[in-house]
Amino acid sequence: LAKTTQPISMDSYEGQEVNITCSHNNIATNDYITWYQQFPSQGPRFIIQGYKTKVTNEVASLFIPADRKSSTLSLPRVSLSDTAVYYCLVGGGGNNRKLIWGLGTSLAVNP
Amino acid sequence: NAGVMQNPRHLVRRRGQEARLRCSPMKGHSHVYWYRQLPEEGLKFMVYLQKENIIDESGMPKERFSAEFPKEGPSILRIQQVVRGDSAAYFCASSPPNSINEQFFGPGTRLTVL
Repeated sequence: LAKTTQPISMDSYEGQEVNITCSHNNIATNDYITWYQQFPSQGPRFIIQGYKTKVTNEVASLFIPADRKSSTLSLPRVSLSDTAVYYCLVGGGGNNRKLIWGLGTSLAVNP
Repeated sequence: NAGVMQNPRHLVRRRGQEARLRCSPMKGHSHVYWYRQLPEEGLKFMVYLQKENIIDESGMPKERFSAEFPKEGPSILRIQQVVRGDSAAYFCASSPPNSINEQFFGPGTRLTVL
């Protein structure tokens, strides 16, 4: 089974770009990589999902190298409201109904 | 289209009582997931259900915990004989059948065991 590893915490400042990397060495061929954001006292919220190369939406970008053993969530020009916990999730492709959640990265954005 | 609904939002129980947590998935979603989050900790997967079927319960404690998702009505997470260590936020999520990675979460139920 794939296991995901991500930093426990990160610090940043307003206006900076933040990159959070998740390692998933045993990712299966059909597995997708998904990232969620969670604010205190709320349920997580889907941010972005990808399979390979690069995916971009209005919130973030997701970079996945060719070997797919890691992925990087990139948040451009963070603001104070981006302070949250970010989870990496692997799985769900094909017939794989197993979803492996990371322990989350607590991002603190400072003024 | 209402989001995932959970009730109650807050639940207080004394040790030894039963706790029943309800989750109504988004309209059109047939997959439900339950997660537990202890204070200051990450999200821990508990169980994954489809209508009338348990797909994956590898995260469920072996005793006192059970979950169901009947053909009609909400999904229920049931905790019997609660202990203080069961105090946590319990989140429910739902997804359509062809996109289990894109889960929509409810607001959670905060269980406090006295």
